[in-house]
Amino acid sequence: ETGVTQTPRHLVMGMTNKKSLKCEQHLGHNAMYWYKQSAKKPLELMFVYSLEERVENNSVPSRFSPECPNSSHLFLHLHTLQPEDSALYLCASSQDGQGNEQFFGPGTRLTVL
Amino acid sequence: EDQVTQSPEALRLQEGESSSLNCSYTVSGLRGLFWYRQDPGKGPEFLFTLYSAGEEKEKERLKATLTKKESFLHITAPKPEDSATYLCAGLSGSARQLTFGSGTQLTVLP
Repeated sequence: ETGVTQTPRHLVMGMTNKKSLKCEQHLGHNAMYWYKQSAKKPLELMFVYSLEERVENNSVPSRFSPECPNSSHLFLHLHTLQPEDSALYLCASSQDGQGNEQFFGPGTRLTVL
Repeated sequence: EDQVTQSPEALRLQEGESSSLNCSYTVSGLRGLFWYRQDPGKGPEFLFTLYSAGEEKEKERLKATLTKKESFLHITAPKPEDSATYLCAGLSGSARQLTFGSGTQLTVLP
């Protein structure tokens, strides 16, 4: 595997389900990010981790819970989501946590019924 | 508040018809202006970083330029495979996060 990988690529869940998104980076980077991309809207930064420590949390609802066990892996735990949470969730990584060149994974297309 | 605006929202070109995409920004203490390409169903792919006004970077048929208020992505003699959504993003001097524009959806017709 190279670059940034995400699983699953597609996810359909009910409002009462609990699921997790996984991201893995193979670039030796020290920072990882979660973004939300909705149709016709700019990418929204959700969380930033630098050296496994969360450094940014852009007022994301608590039904989204990130986890970064090491610098190569990032998870987004989902529970009791709303239909408006349906979107493409993108993971990215960069050499540092300063926002510089970020490399993105292919995303997880999430649909909440 | 940092803001990035891209225009046009959508652009259709004939193969070989050169054009430019615009990215206007109000980002405090800009540390970098980034361009990405995004294909349907995929994550954004990094293209360029520009750091100061007057800087230019090229890659194949693409050239990115930067002024104090905006950036342009010039596409010379585009091909159908250049069809994608092009995103720009600004990195401020104080924040550690990128502010993205909504993108320009480019379609190049054969």
